[in-house]
Amino acid sequence: GAGVSQSPRYKVTKRGQDVALRCDPISGHVSLYWYRQALGQGPEFLTYFNYEAQQDKSGLPNDRFSAERPEGSISTLTIQRTEQRDSAMYRCASSLTAYEQYFGPGTRLTVT
Amino acid sequence: GESVGLHLPTLSVQEGDNSIINCAYSNSASDYFIWYKQESGKGPQFIIDIRSNMDKRQGQRVTVLLNKTVKHLSLQIAATQPGDSAVYFCAETGGSNYKLTFGKGTLLTVNP
Repeated sequence: GAGVSQSPRYKVTKRGQDVALRCDPISGHVSLYWYRQALGQGPEFLTYFNYEAQQDKSGLPNDRFSAERPEGSISTLTIQRTEQRDSAMYRCASSLTAYEQYFGPGTRLTVT
Repeated sequence: GESVGLHLPTLSVQEGDNSIINCAYSNSASDYFIWYKQESGKGPQFIIDIRSNMDKRQGQRVTVLLNKTVKHLSLQIAATQPGDSAVYFCAETGGSNYKLTFGKGTLLTVNP
């Protein structure tokens, strides 16, 4: 079946602009996670949804970052007033059980 | 440009040899551990997991060993193949039931 999909795959934006990154989880997966991955590092947790409820947003760096999953399926991670330090690979994962998380291909964000 | 390999521990093996990749963790509350494989340009791919009430688990060509006394995890790959070349990450839950914390990756290179 189809895996986790993310769009866009690449996003280049100017400093100060807002960006929205989309995640489409595996059908039927109730849990959805956002991570950020720097080059050469493992993914770093940002936030977690169980159905439409955001259960944990402790990993979001600051209040410019927000996420939603209004219907318990597709999720959007929004970064307002982007800064160069926001440049990274943003990965989404989904799971049916609590543990086995399936990762998407990621969105490479570059802020110029 | 910057290379992932400049910042990662590396392991180079000959095709057909066995590989052992090691990981240390610090959180004694962790009760679940996972190994992920990440190929260039792709998201992390689940390989095998182990719970803290076990010290060994075997999959197809892979074995994970857990030593809780010294907080050490290892991944053994039997008869390593060129397709096994990738960055390998260990991850643990730190007592959470959803938040994965990734260790430093290891770049495995298999020489034909």
